[in-house]
Amino acid sequence: AQSVTQLGSHVSVSEGALVLLRCNYSSSVPPYLFWYVQYPNQGLQLLLKYTTGATLVKGINGFEAEFKKSETSFHLTKPSAHMSDAAEYFCAVSAAGNQFYFGTGTSLTVIP
Amino acid sequence: DADVTQTPRNRITKTGKRIMLECSQTKGHDRMYWYRQDPGLGLRLIYYSFDVKDINKGEISDGYSVSRQAQAKFSLSLESAIPNQTALYFCATSDTRGGPVYREQFFGPGTRLTVL
Repeated sequence: AQSVTQLGSHVSVSEGALVLLRCNYSSSVPPYLFWYVQYPNQGLQLLLKYTTGATLVKGINGFEAEFKKSETSFHLTKPSAHMSDAAEYFCAVSAAGNQFYFGTGTSLTVIP
Repeated sequence: DADVTQTPRNRITKTGKRIMLECSQTKGHDRMYWYRQDPGLGLRLIYYSFDVKDINKGEISDGYSVSRQAQAKFSLSLESAIPNQTALYFCATSDTRGGPVYREQFFGPGTRLTVL
């Protein structure tokens, strides 16, 4: 079975500061891992994904995430937050059968 | 034009009414999904369909039914709506025919349903 835990339902950072959103997963098989972003009144948009290969994955809008098998983590980072990064972020894991299991989400606030 | 569309975008209804939410996609994907989103609970899978003749229950299927009318259309029905079905509903698609690299899901804009 697969599951995802996102630590921190709300994260606030100052504009220009580092963004770190945490995601830990549980999977009995090698996982595929995803980060999605949801802007207000919109659907989910893929930020980045890890399937196989390089464990440091770069996505859109300057975000990146590193797959750490030993820590069962896939934390999302961005060196410098912009006001436009304010949104809800979801981590998801997928394995056999292509079912996705989503975390409960982290709401990012960027303080000017 | 949007690849995954949902209608209606907003709906207010009363307890006991039958409601249908519709999803259409132009991506040519084989798999389609219905999720509901509730604050603090993330997205939970209601039903998913691998193709027109293959429909599966998800985590929270009670009180819902679905129909895959064609590869491009997947509708969600609430036979007798109740207030705790008030939520944001998302349709998603994925293309699994190319192998794991294509496993990401693509989401529609959502339908906000309020049951009074």
